[in-house]
Amino acid sequence: GQQLNQSPQSMFIQEGEDVSMNCTSSSIFNTWLWYKQDPGEGPVLLIALYKAGELTSNGRLTAQFGITRKDSFLNISVSIPSDVGIYFCAGQYWKTSYDKVIFGPGTSLSVIP
Amino acid sequence: GAGVSQSPRYKVAKRGQDVALRCDPISGHVSLFWYQQALGQGPEFLTYFQNEAQLDKSGLPSDRFFAERPEGSVSTLKIQRTQQEDSAVYLCASSLEQGGAEAFFGQGTRLTVV
Repeated sequence: GQQLNQSPQSMFIQEGEDVSMNCTSSSIFNTWLWYKQDPGEGPVLLIALYKAGELTSNGRLTAQFGITRKDSFLNISVSIPSDVGIYFCAGQYWKTSYDKVIFGPGTSLSVIP
Repeated sequence: GAGVSQSPRYKVAKRGQDVALRCDPISGHVSLFWYQQALGQGPEFLTYFQNEAQLDKSGLPSDRFFAERPEGSVSTLKIQRTQQEDSAVYLCASSLEQGGAEAFFGQGTRLTVV
C-alpha cells in the first residue's frame, strides 16, 4: 500500500540557518500536506499543495509538490527557536469513496540558539 | 469550542480493561478521522467517518477496536480488553468536506496500558 518516507529523520541546526527536508514515495498522491507537531499537541497544518509542480509559501516556509507527484519538500528560512518540533508530510489519494490521507514518520527539528 | 476537543487527555488502563475515547469535532465538519500515534512515529490511520457513515475502518488493528459516530458529530473510539501494545496517543481530526486535506487535529488522548 501507500507509504511515505521522510528525510532526514532528525536535524540539529543553529538559529538563523535555513532548513530543508523532504518526503518521497513510490506511489502517486493528489495532494501533499505539511504539518508541524509540538510536544503534547496534535499536528497543525502548515502548507497544502494541490497541483504537481506547485510552489507555495507561508511566511518563512516554502513547499513544493514534485512534478512526478511522488515527492515534496519543505524549506524553512532563517530558523528561530519556535521552529522546534516534528514535521510530518502527508499525502492524499483517492480510495474508493473518499480522499484518504496518510502520514510520513516525521522529521524532528532542533534549533540551537 | 472552536477546535477539535478530545477527552480524556490522559488515560491509564489496566490490561484487560475496556476504554472509551471521545472526540468532539468542529461543528459542521463532515469528515472525522481517528489516528494512532506511537512514540516517535507518525500518525497511523485507524478509521474514517463521513457524517455518520463509517466509510473506512481498514486501519483498526483488531476486532477489539470499535468506533462510532451515530449522529454525525461526536465520535467515540472504544478499545476492548486493552493490551500493552495499545499504549499510544489517539488523535482525532475533522475537516469541513469529504476527505482529509486541511484537517484540524485535537490534542489527542494518551493511553497507557499497565
